[in-house]
Amino acid sequence: SQQGEEDPQALSIQEGENATMNCSYKTSINNLQWYRQNSGRGLVHLILIRSNEREKHSGRLRVTLDTSKKSSSLLITASRAADTASYFCATAPPGQNFVFGPGTRLSVLP
Amino acid sequence: DAMVIQNPRYQVTQFGKPVTLSCSQTLNHNVMYWYQQKSSQAPKLLFHYYDKDFNNEADTPDNFQSRRPNTSFCFLDIRSPGLGDAAMYLCATSREGRGASSYEQYFGPGTRLTVT
Repeated sequence: SQQGEEDPQALSIQEGENATMNCSYKTSINNLQWYRQNSGRGLVHLILIRSNEREKHSGRLRVTLDTSKKSSSLLITASRAADTASYFCATAPPGQNFVFGPGTRLSVLP
Repeated sequence: DAMVIQNPRYQVTQFGKPVTLSCSQTLNHNVMYWYQQKSSQAPKLLFHYYDKDFNNEADTPDNFQSRRPNTSFCFLDIRSPGLGDAAMYLCATSREGRGASSYEQYFGPGTRLTVT
């Protein structure tokens, strides 16, 4: 079973709308990371949020972390066609390597 | 400037014919990772090097081997590729303490392997 799982599996929105993706995980973690992957390319790191943080911002991205619920969300505001990609959360129990969730495929329609 | 470089970007090999994928980095990171990613799936960690220490994931097939001759370079060898090994292979690096996952990983663009 996955350490981290994203929800929804696929999301389609219009340009300018906000996109919200969720990640749930099973064990305690040191931190949680979000990555983006454009089709056929490598992953790009977006945000790292540590277990003692509740919210973090980077440009149009906002990440929240609720360790009591073992969940995180990634919000992309004012989405653009260029945001079309797969988004993965990565979690690691203390002392272990990251495991990536299956990802959310986001399509932003012009 | 490219920080994690993978060559080639596309590789076609025949069933059972050994193939080597390469990765190099300019970040001087001590940890290097190899992931396998099949279509519409999450990247799956095959193994990683902490400096020269090799760490194999328990479910990585013996068909996959790796070499890290120096800090900058890491190779993935597939001794006898099968049709099921067709995938994107991603190399990543990070600066890391042993046994921890505290920092972001930097990924290369990947090598897409086709097995005919």
